[in-house]
Amino acid sequence: NAGVTQTPKFQVLKTGQSMTLQCAQDMNHEYMSWYRQDPGMGLRLIHYSVGAGITDQGEVPNGYNVSRSTTEDFPLRLLSAAPSQTSVYFCASRSSGALPTNYGYTFGSGTRLTVV
Amino acid sequence: DQQVKQNSPSLSVQEGRISILNCDYTNSMFDYFLWYKKYPAEGPTFLISISSIKDKNEDGRFTVFLNKSAKHLSLHIVPSQPGDSAVYFCAASFSGNTGKLIFGQGTTLQVKP
Repeated sequence: NAGVTQTPKFQVLKTGQSMTLQCAQDMNHEYMSWYRQDPGMGLRLIHYSVGAGITDQGEVPNGYNVSRSTTEDFPLRLLSAAPSQTSVYFCASRSSGALPTNYGYTFGSGTRLTVV
Repeated sequence: DQQVKQNSPSLSVQEGRISILNCDYTNSMFDYFLWYKKYPAEGPTFLISISSIKDKNEDGRFTVFLNKSAKHLSLHIVPSQPGDSAVYFCAASFSGNTGKLIFGQGTTLQVKP
């Protein structure tokens, strides 16, 4: 019963380094999203995808890239890390066919990233 | 431009009493509204939702009310329990099957025994 799996759970980067946050789901969900959580800002949408090969920008996409080559995986790439990207990152997924009463996304447990 | 706003960062209530968490939105294209609950060091978990064509949805101790004219929704928890202490996020999705979900800033609820 894995659900949404995010790796790593913790990461420290130096300014300018690049890295990929991994996200995998085993529920055959079409929709996947990346959010960052910052104090006082709530959860802000970075990028999202409605299916393999289809991605779109959210509220705060700058500095991040995504791709969706398979239904299961939705990695988030930081090309050149900046201290402003210090945050907790959450990946989420849901089925496009979810009923109104089950409309919610399933979230992973998060990746805490610190950029120094 | 914050499209979904939770203007109360925190709320404290006594066990057994009612908790009311509020949320305002600005975009009339939202068609579903959801509430999520988040404990520290965990991802948010889906709590309850409401369609824009309804004004109330109830699930056990949790009821969500929607006032479209005021662009306002609220979550009522009755009775409140200490285990309800968490951060609550309001979220909204757009009409059409876009998969895009916009969150508010969150309200930290503390239920005192």
